[in-house]
Amino acid sequence: EAGVTQSPTHLIKTRGQQATLRCSPISGHTSVYWYQQALGLGLQFLLWYDEGEERNRGNFPPRFSGRQFPNYSSELNVNALELEDSALYLCASSLMGGLTDTQYFGPGTRLTVL
Amino acid sequence: DAKTTQPNSMESNEEEPVHLPCNHSTISGTDYIHWYRQLPSQGPEYVIHGLTSNVNNRMASLAIAEDRKSSTLILHRATLRDAAVYYCILSGAGSYQLTFGKGTKLSVIP
Repeated sequence: EAGVTQSPTHLIKTRGQQATLRCSPISGHTSVYWYQQALGLGLQFLLWYDEGEERNRGNFPPRFSGRQFPNYSSELNVNALELEDSALYLCASSLMGGLTDTQYFGPGTRLTVL
Repeated sequence: DAKTTQPNSMESNEEEPVHLPCNHSTISGTDYIHWYRQLPSQGPEYVIHGLTSNVNNRMASLAIAEDRKSSTLILHRATLRDAAVYYCILSGAGSYQLTFGKGTKLSVIP
C-alpha cells in the first residue's frame, strides 16, 4: 500500500513569491495535517483538514493557507514568501482525525527561500 | 496543551534495552500519550500510544506511571536503525494535531 506522498521534493523560490506544496494521503484516509520543521524550531503544526474542511490551524499568519480536495489530497499555499519560511514541510494523514488516530507522515518538501 | 519534558539526548549500546523517559505533570484525564520517532532525513513515524495501562507492540513498550505524570518508552534491544529523535506527545479533546517538543536524540553505539 502506498504511503503519504508529497511533491515536489525540493522547491526553491525567492522572497515575495508564492509556493504551492502538494500532498496525497494514504488511500482511505480523510484527515490531512501540515507541519513545518524549520531549523532550530522543531516540528510545528500548521493546518488540519478533514472531509474537505479546515478543522484547525496553528499559530501561523494568514499567508499560509491550504485546501483539501474531494479525493482528500491537499495543497498548502504560502504567499509572499519570507526567508524564514525556509523549512521542511511535512504532510501527515490519518484515518479520520481522532485522539488515538495514528498519523502517517510523508517524506516532506524542502522549501528554500532565497 | 499539556507540556512534556524529555532529556535532550541519550546513548545506548547496540542490543541493550533503552528506557526513554518523559514527564508530563500537567496531563489531564483524557490526554493520550503518543510516541513518534524521526529517523535522519525522514518524516516522523508512529511508535506507540496509551492512556492509562502499559502497552506493547512489535516496536516497543510503553510504561505509564500510576499517576500518569510520567511515562517511559522501552526499546527492548536497540539496533543501529533505532538511532533517531524520539518525541513524547500528548493529545487531548479537540487537539488532534500533534504538538512536538524537542524530543530526545537517541544514539546507538555499535
